[in-house]
Amino acid sequence: DVKVTQSSRYLVKRTGEKVFLECVQDMDHENMFWYRQDPGLGLRLIYFSYDVKMKEKGDIPEGYSVSREKKERFSLILESASTNQTSMYLCASSGGPGTDVVLETQYFGPGTRLLVL
Amino acid sequence: KNEVEQSPQNLTAQEGEFITINCSYSVGISALHWLQQHPGGGIVSLFMLSSGKKKHGRLIATINIQEKHSSLHITASHPRDSAVYICAVRMDSNYQLIWGAGTKLIIKP
Repeated sequence: DVKVTQSSRYLVKRTGEKVFLECVQDMDHENMFWYRQDPGLGLRLIYFSYDVKMKEKGDIPEGYSVSREKKERFSLILESASTNQTSMYLCASSGGPGTDVVLETQYFGPGTRLLVL
Repeated sequence: KNEVEQSPQNLTAQEGEFITINCSYSVGISALHWLQQHPGGGIVSLFMLSSGKKKHGRLIATINIQEKHSSLHITASHPRDSAVYICAVRMDSNYQLIWGAGTKLIIKP
């Protein structure tokens, strides 16, 4: 089974702190994604990466950066956390060797609920 | 207007009822996904469709490409089906998914 893990289930940080959210997948997936989920808004894509050291902005990249130094690990960084970044953050991966790009499924981690005070 | 609209937003039903959740979209797509999110945040992919119909246990998903519409059905619903059901479409022009806001389903015993 595909396994996507996130470093924390719950985090409480103060405004202005630098926050690191880590995501690791164990299925040799090419693509990794970071989303945030807020009530009534659904999932919104922050950044995604389709290869090591490659990254693309999603719909709401402002205030975030990402790092993909190794294929299995995709980090989301909040340089200076703000209260409007309080949210559920979900990591996903997709696209193993030989996958049909059109029909690939994204596999999600359990999520990190971040509270910024 | 959102490119992916789900209805209803909230649905409460009695155990055993037949459930239908709808998803309409306005863009050209290559595939549509139905996902399930339980309380606590974990998301599970249920179906991935590009045409026709798929069935898995008590779950059935259909898609009509011409009408830009998909439905997720649950037969013989059970309280453990209570979750948020999310529709997401993959645009035919890039890798990204566009997400619906979700339908919160509660099945009462």
